[in-house]
Amino acid sequence: DTEVTQTPKHLVMGMTNKKSLKCEQHMGHRAMYWYKQKAKKPPELMFVYSYEKLSINESVPSRFSPECPNSSLLNLHLHALQPEDSALYLCASSQRNMGRSPYNEQFFGPGTRLTVL
Amino acid sequence: GQQLNQSPQSMFIQEGEDVSMNCTSSSIFNTWLWYKQDPGEGPVLLIALYKAGELTSNGRLTAQFGITRKDSFLNISASIPSDVGIYFCARSGGSYIPTFGRGTSLIVHP
Repeated sequence: DTEVTQTPKHLVMGMTNKKSLKCEQHMGHRAMYWYKQKAKKPPELMFVYSYEKLSINESVPSRFSPECPNSSLLNLHLHALQPEDSALYLCASSQRNMGRSPYNEQFFGPGTRLTVL
Repeated sequence: GQQLNQSPQSMFIQEGEDVSMNCTSSSIFNTWLWYKQDPGEGPVLLIALYKAGELTSNGRLTAQFGITRKDSFLNISASIPSDVGIYFCARSGGSYIPTFGRGTSLIVHP
């Protein structure tokens, strides 16, 4: 199994809703990432988990709350989002996140297209 | 933060033509990665480079890690319609924040 899966594929939510995005990989990777991507822009890093511990938080608002229940799963909990949070949310994984190494090659999921009304 | 300057921003070419795009940085990198992203999908890794001067091929794609460690290029030979998409350079690893270039949008006319 060499893929990263994300659910749901599409999500529409109101500003008062609470929802969660899910990501799963079974490649034994120990680093997992959340990115946000706006149309025609590059992915922007939000969070990095390394060995199930949050190692990087790129000053993301607290209405986005990541969770890594185990080495295969990564969640992104959403609460009280704003319309400007509408974007493609990408999950990625890599074997590790250290030094100069093929272990840092990131594999991306297909993304969740989020629309906030 | 670290900036990656990717060019050109877009390219419109005829099928069969060769394509070249590049990325530069003001700082030294240890790793260059090249991705392709199709509409509505996640980026797919094409080529990874780990050593200055390294030249790596993947089918019709060739990428090089610049000798100064501040740049990289990606070439696509004999382009075909399925090459259409957005190509990103990126770096990751170690204490570096994974960062992407702004992307090169490629359109191939049959």
